[in-house]
Amino acid sequence: QKEVEQDPGPLSVPEGAIVSLNCTYSNSAFQYFMWYRQYSRKGPELLMYTYSSGNKEDGRFTAQVDKSSKYISLFIRDSQPSDSATYLCAMSPSGGYQKVTFGTGTKLQVIP
Amino acid sequence: EAGVTQFPSHSVIEKGQTVTLRCDPISGHDNLYWYRRVMGKEIKFLLHFVKESKQDESGMPNNRFLAERTGGTYSTLKVQPAELEDSGVYFCASSQESYRGWTDTQYFGPGTRLTVL
Repeated sequence: QKEVEQDPGPLSVPEGAIVSLNCTYSNSAFQYFMWYRQYSRKGPELLMYTYSSGNKEDGRFTAQVDKSSKYISLFIRDSQPSDSATYLCAMSPSGGYQKVTFGTGTKLQVIP
Repeated sequence: EAGVTQFPSHSVIEKGQTVTLRCDPISGHDNLYWYRRVMGKEIKFLLHFVKESKQDESGMPNNRFLAERTGGTYSTLKVQPAELEDSGVYFCASSQESYRGWTDTQYFGPGTRLTVL
């Protein structure tokens, strides 16, 4: 069983829609939860991170973590064509360095 | 400020040959990480340097892979001899400092796409 499970998609939505991206995980040691965005032929770019459970909002993006269910989500409001990319969830345990474990990524296409 | 750079962007080699990938982290970043993404799979951790020292190399697949970071600046990842299953995208990332209980943003390079024929 993979430590992090993520639906690969692809996910296609109309411009302006609310997008929900999700991951589940099995390792209880994970404390930091991240979402990366990756455009084609580019490296992953950190969008948001949260520590432990709770919500975090940044503009049109909201990250949610439910440690009791081992479930994390990223919501994108008012989606734009420029949001079209692959979104990767990632996690790491607490500690002095961060070995990041990634999901496989969900490919999102926002149609104008 | 320049981001993480990787060279080459793409390498095509034959099975049994040697390839060396290079990563230049963001200036001043002590932490340097190597990751690999094999086709259809998730990005996987290979190893982590703190300055010139290997902090964690638990993700290195086998002894055909050798990573170095001389002087704590740029890093190289050598694959010798390359096998078909080594094909994939190799990412390098760097971060500033790590303290217990704190995470630092890892900035990723664009990756090197390695194809072994």
